[in-house]
Amino acid sequence: DIQMTQSPSSLSASVGDRVTITCRASQGIRNDLGWYQQKPGKAPKRLIYTASSLQSGVPSRFSGSGSGTEFTLTISSLQPEDFATYYCLQYNSYPWTFGQGTKVEIK
Amino acid sequence: EVQLVESGGGLVQPGGSLRLSCAASGFTFSSVSMAWVRQAPGHGLEWVANIKDDGNKAFYVDSVTGRFTISRDNAKNSLYLQMNSLRAEDTAIYYCARGWGSEWGQGTLVTVSS
Repeated sequence: DIQMTQSPSSLSASVGDRVTITCRASQGIRNDLGWYQQKPGKAPKRLIYTASSLQSGVPSRFSGSGSGTEFTLTISSLQPEDFATYYCLQYNSYPWTFGQGTKVEIK
Repeated sequence: EVQLVESGGGLVQPGGSLRLSCAASGFTFSSVSMAWVRQAPGHGLEWVANIKDDGNKAFYVDSVTGRFTISRDNAKNSLYLQMNSLRAEDTAIYYCARGWGSEWGQGTLVTVSS
């Protein structure tokens, strides 16, 4: 199975900060990776697919990069509505696997 | 607009069975693969199963293999998850998702407890 190691597990940031979250795959997954945002009591929402493609309707302050084993989600200027938990998902091979999640909290 | 609506969750005793359903609309259901993903209370996301668009191939996480069965009825635009021999560790919100997780339903809670 492919392990997805996501870091950090949590972070505190202020509105306007640039935030970076990383996922590392235990083996190469090409660009078969998505990023999700989940708010308390809500279903996850996809932000990024194929590592760097922005989901329709998602603000352009979200961006993804990487290929192979190293991937990054960047929020260029954190907004109040961005405080949430973020997950990466590899769908290169079964079983699909998620990162452990990164909780973004208000500083 | 894509809509996915899960149903069928509830309280079940260990060893019991439950069948979840997901009603899909707003897209050509028969053209896309579908997935079930779960989230135990206070925990992260875990992929459970996938089924190809024609229903002829399915994949499962090891922990549910032999106990859960994913299926679909393309004529009814519906996805299912038959869960047998349920265990306490299967307690979670179960979400259905389209394709590679582009859209998700609101989830249905399954609680396995005596």
